[in-house]
Amino acid sequence: DQQVKQNSPSLSVQEGRISILNCDYTNSMFDYFLWYKKYPAEGPTFLISISSIKDKNEDGRFTVFLNKSAKHLSLHIVPSQPGDSAVYFCAASTTGGATNKLIFGTGTLLAVQP
Amino acid sequence: DTEVTQTPKHLVMGMTNKKSLKCEQHMGHRAMYWYKQKAKKPPELMFVYSYEKLSINESVPSRFSPECPNSSLLNLHLHALQPEDSALYLCASSQVVGLSTEQYFGPGTRLTVT
Repeated sequence: DQQVKQNSPSLSVQEGRISILNCDYTNSMFDYFLWYKKYPAEGPTFLISISSIKDKNEDGRFTVFLNKSAKHLSLHIVPSQPGDSAVYFCAASTTGGATNKLIFGTGTLLAVQP
Repeated sequence: DTEVTQTPKHLVMGMTNKKSLKCEQHMGHRAMYWYKQKAKKPPELMFVYSYEKLSINESVPSRFSPECPNSSLLNLHLHALQPEDSALYLCASSQVVGLSTEQYFGPGTRLTVT
């Protein structure tokens, strides 16, 4: 059972435009969400996170939006740059327990065209 | 500094070999993790250490044996692996478990079992 889903395996965007990556989850116990960026043969790099008490968090060109009622989050990258081309994973966890187990989505390959 | 280091970068081993993967962080984090990532799949949690004690084993076969010698180091001892164990093994760390904190990943060890 895939608790975290990224339904778009790939996305292509022109340089300078907005990239919007989407993520859906099914477990209502998740209360902390993260986005990671991954280049081939490297580990995931943390980008931005959001707690379930917020609906938006912004860090430079990256903004994450959380819609708890729809169990949906999205990552906006503005403006997109060629160096942003990578696989983006969303991840979710339930805090307060004995582990910060991250459940990852299947990833979206973003290609930013110059 | 948000660096997690892993050695070796690549490892090829036979099914009768014994080898170890090493992970190190100097961020003062007290939680460390091992993940396994197969090609075109998201990372999957294997083990969690909290304050140098094993807190989570995600039903991993005993041919994988984790060890946390101190708060900065995490090892994964490998013995009698199978070809299907070939994957990217990722180490991560975070401040503590139970709170909303991001996990920082190392670059991974690419393991091939022949």
